Amino acid sequence: DSGVTQTPKHLITATGQRVTLRCSPRSGDLSVYWYQQSLDQGLQFLIQYYNGEERAKGNILERFSAQQFPDLHSELNLSSLELGDSALYFCASLAGADYGELFFGEGSRLTVL
Amino acid sequence: GDSVTQMEGPVTLSEEAFLTINCTYTATGYPSLFWYVQYPGEGLQLLLKATKADDKGSNKGFEATYRKETTSFHLEKGSVQVSDSAVYFCALNNAGNMLTFGGGTRLMVKP
Repeated sequence: DSGVTQTPKHLITATGQRVTLRCSPRSGDLSVYWYQQSLDQGLQFLIQYYNGEERAKGNILERFSAQQFPDLHSELNLSSLELGDSALYFCASLAGADYGELFFGEGSRLTVL
Repeated sequence: GDSVTQMEGPVTLSEEAFLTINCTYTATGYPSLFWYVQYPGEGLQLLLKATKADDKGSNKGFEATYRKETTSFHLEKGSVQVSDSAVYFCALNNAGNMLTFGGGTRLMVKP
């Protein structure tokens, strides 16, 4: 158990819909990262938050947005869903200081039909 | 910018064979290096890490040595098991707030 909690574990929805994925980082970790893992691709970094503020942005589509709340949990919002958005979405939190490792949640598997 | 390159898979081995998965990196400064493993249907787990040159990270029979002169961090195991079948990711953290991952290498171990 990494200490990072993600919900829901599985989600099936239709094209054009909107979903929200939720993540709670490890106790004490201030940073939250979101990654997308498609079937034929590696990990694609989406976005990072640190203590409520956006810190870094990767290959995140304009249809996607995220935020981190005062209690440090984070939500990733995916809207106007397309078939190609079907993927595993991982949340991770960073241990400690700059050279630390990421602890990953078990992921949310999104299927868009 | 920083980058990590891994050998492409899948790597298919018989049980008890020797494993090497190559990983090289490009980065300024002195990054920390990591290997993560992703078992089927699960998230990524940290397998081992090394924080400075010549450090050897080890865990569950896997080893990797931080070689600054060759900018490499190859993953090795002397005798693989079927249960080692997974995707392995090499990564680095270069004093920033983000990990840079390689593309992943799928390992398949046959009995």
